[in-house]
Amino acid sequence: EVQLVESGGGLVQPGGALRLSCAASGFSISESWMTWVRQAPGKGLEWVANIKKDGSVKKYVDSVRGRFTISRDNAKNLVFLQMNSLRAEDTALYYCARDLGWNRVDYWGQGTLVIVSS
Amino acid sequence: QSALTQPPSASGSPGQSVTISCTGTSSDVGAYNYVSWYQQHPGKAPKLLIYEVNKRPSGVPDRFSGSKSGNTASLTVFGLQTEDEADYYCNSFAGSNNLGVFGGGTKLTVL
Repeated sequence: EVQLVESGGGLVQPGGALRLSCAASGFSISESWMTWVRQAPGKGLEWVANIKKDGSVKKYVDSVRGRFTISRDNAKNLVFLQMNSLRAEDTALYYCARDLGWNRVDYWGQGTLVIVSS
Repeated sequence: QSALTQPPSASGSPGQSVTISCTGTSSDVGAYNYVSWYQQHPGKAPKLLIYEVNKRPSGVPDRFSGSKSGNTASLTVFGLQTEDEADYYCNSFAGSNNLGVFGGGTKLTVL
C-alpha cells in the first residue's frame, strides 16, 4: 500500500525556518517525480515545488523561489522541503505527493501544518 | 503562472448532472492535453479523479468525465450522489520549465 507521511510542521516566527520531511512507503520514490502542494486555511491548492526522479531538476512557485529548497534521498525514500525566511503568507497545510508525470498526482499524504506567526 | 479560473460554486440534485469549467490560456490548458481534476472532501487530502483531460484512474466511477475545448477544460459529474459533495480542483501542465497551475476550486453542493 502506498503511503506518504509528512512531518516537521509547527509554529514558527516570521523570518524563521522549518524543514518538512515526507516518508514514503509502498513504492520507491526513485521512480517518480515528487511534489509539495500547500493549502492555506480555507483556501485552494497551490503547487509549491517539485523534484525530478534523480533530483537533477527542481521547480518552484515564484513566491517561494530563493527561500524554499526541495530535496530527496532516494536511498531512504524521503523527500524534504527546507523553508527559510518564512512569512505569514506561508501558513498552510503542506502536502507531499507523488507525481507520475504531466501533473498526474496520484497519491497524497495527509499534510503537515505550518503556522507562521509571532 | 496565473491560477486557472473555476466557478466558485456549482450545485445539482441527486441523479442530475453538473459540469464544472476550468479556463486557462494558450500556455497551459490550450497547449497541452495534461489537465487533471481532483476531489477534496472537508478535512481530507485531494484525490485524483481525472488525468490527461479524460482518463480515469482505477477505482474512479465512470460518472466522472473530463473534456477540453480550446483553453477550457470541463469536468462533468453524471448521476449526482450525495457523496459527490466536495471541492473540485483542476490543474494543468504549463510547460517543462514551470510548475503546474491549479484552479481556484469549485464547491459542489448536492441539494
